[in-house]
Amino acid sequence: TQLLEQSPQFLSIQEGENLTVYCNSSSVFSSLQWYRQEPGEGPVLLVTVVTGGEVKKLKRLTFQFGDARKDSSLHITAAQPGDTGLYLCAGGSDKIIFGKGTRLHILP
Amino acid sequence: DAGVIQSPRHEVTEMGQEVTLRCKPISGHNSLFWYRQTMMRGLELLIYFNNNVPIDDSGMPEDRFSAKMPNASFSTLKIQPSEPRDSAVYFCASSLALLSARDREQETQYFGPGTRLLVL
Repeated sequence: TQLLEQSPQFLSIQEGENLTVYCNSSSVFSSLQWYRQEPGEGPVLLVTVVTGGEVKKLKRLTFQFGDARKDSSLHITAAQPGDTGLYLCAGGSDKIIFGKGTRLHILP
Repeated sequence: DAGVIQSPRHEVTEMGQEVTLRCKPISGHNSLFWYRQTMMRGLELLIYFNNNVPIDDSGMPEDRFSAKMPNASFSTLKIQPSEPRDSAVYFCASSLALLSARDREQETQYFGPGTRLLVL
């Protein structure tokens, strides 16, 4: 059974700090997606990475897919209160599976 | 454009009652997904349809759960009879499936706001 482990589960930091959250698996995925979910809403897709070693940037967010396509990281530079939310990674092979997420809280 | 529409947004019911959740996907999308989210288990795919046909229902927990998509603009997820352990947020998502089935997981899914179900 494929599993995606996300760490940390919870993270609370001050505005302006940098942070990295992780998504790890023992399985290889053909692609990996990152979503952000705000309270009372559904997840919203941030990025899809497909190639091992791929790096994608979305403003202050940097996403990396591991060389072996088993893991991924999300780095946020100069975190802002608007970054607060649940960050989910989702991996695809035959079907999509989701990690349980990292709940991020940015303190003003 | 309206996004994915789900109704009701909140549902409180008693154990044993039938629950029907409704979803209207984004117009023009040809794939529809039903998910369940809990703190313990996270976000789980229950079933997905492509061109109104159920493709994978391996995530449906048991026979009490059923899903239909009678046309391209409407789907239902029914729980009968409901149990307290069914309490969760149920999401519907839709996508425009353009890639081959092998690459389908790369497509963008658009999620609805969810239905928060509480079974007492």
